[in-house]
Amino acid sequence: TQLLEQSPQFLSIQEGENLTVYCNSSSVFSSLQWYRQEPGEGPVLLVTVVTGGEVKKLKRLTFQFGDARKDSSLHITAAQPGDTGLYLCAGGTDKLIFGTGTRLQVFP
Amino acid sequence: DTGVSQDPRHKITKRGQNVTFRCDPISEHNRLYWYRQTLGQGPEFLTYFQNEAQLEKSRLLSDRFSAERPKGSFSTLEIQRTEQGDSAMYLCASSLNGGRNEKLFFGSGTQLSVL
Repeated sequence: TQLLEQSPQFLSIQEGENLTVYCNSSSVFSSLQWYRQEPGEGPVLLVTVVTGGEVKKLKRLTFQFGDARKDSSLHITAAQPGDTGLYLCAGGTDKLIFGTGTRLQVFP
Repeated sequence: DTGVSQDPRHKITKRGQNVTFRCDPISEHNRLYWYRQTLGQGPEFLTYFQNEAQLEKSRLLSDRFSAERPKGSFSTLEIQRTEQGDSAMYLCASSLNGGRNEKLFFGSGTQLSVL
């Protein structure tokens, strides 16, 4: 069974700080996706990483896929209150398995 | 393209009652997924369809849960004899064909509370 563990589980920071969220597995994934979910809504896809070692940037968000394709990280630079939400990594072929989630709260 | 819609948004029921949720996927999407999510956790896979065929059902899913997609368009998820542990957000998602790198589009979910 493929499992995705995320850390930290909760993160509470001030506006302007940097942060990193980790997604780890003992299984190899052909690709990993990152989603963000706001309260009362479904998750929304942010990015897909497909190649070991790949780095993708989305404005202030930087996503990296581990060389062995077992882990990924999400780094946010100069966090803003609008970044608040539940961040989820997900992987799989026929069906997506989601990670345990990281709840981020950014205070002004 | 109106996105994935789910109905109802909220459902409150008493323990032992049956409930049914509906999901309307994006019209040209062949894949449809059901997930369950409890507060602060990641979505847990329940089942998925390719057109009208149910291809996989989670081993964790009780026999009280059943899902259908009779014409390969909308889907229903029924929970019989609800229990308090069934309280959760039930999310539906659709994608074009499934497979690696496929983007899932989620609905806003149905929040179920079992009293």
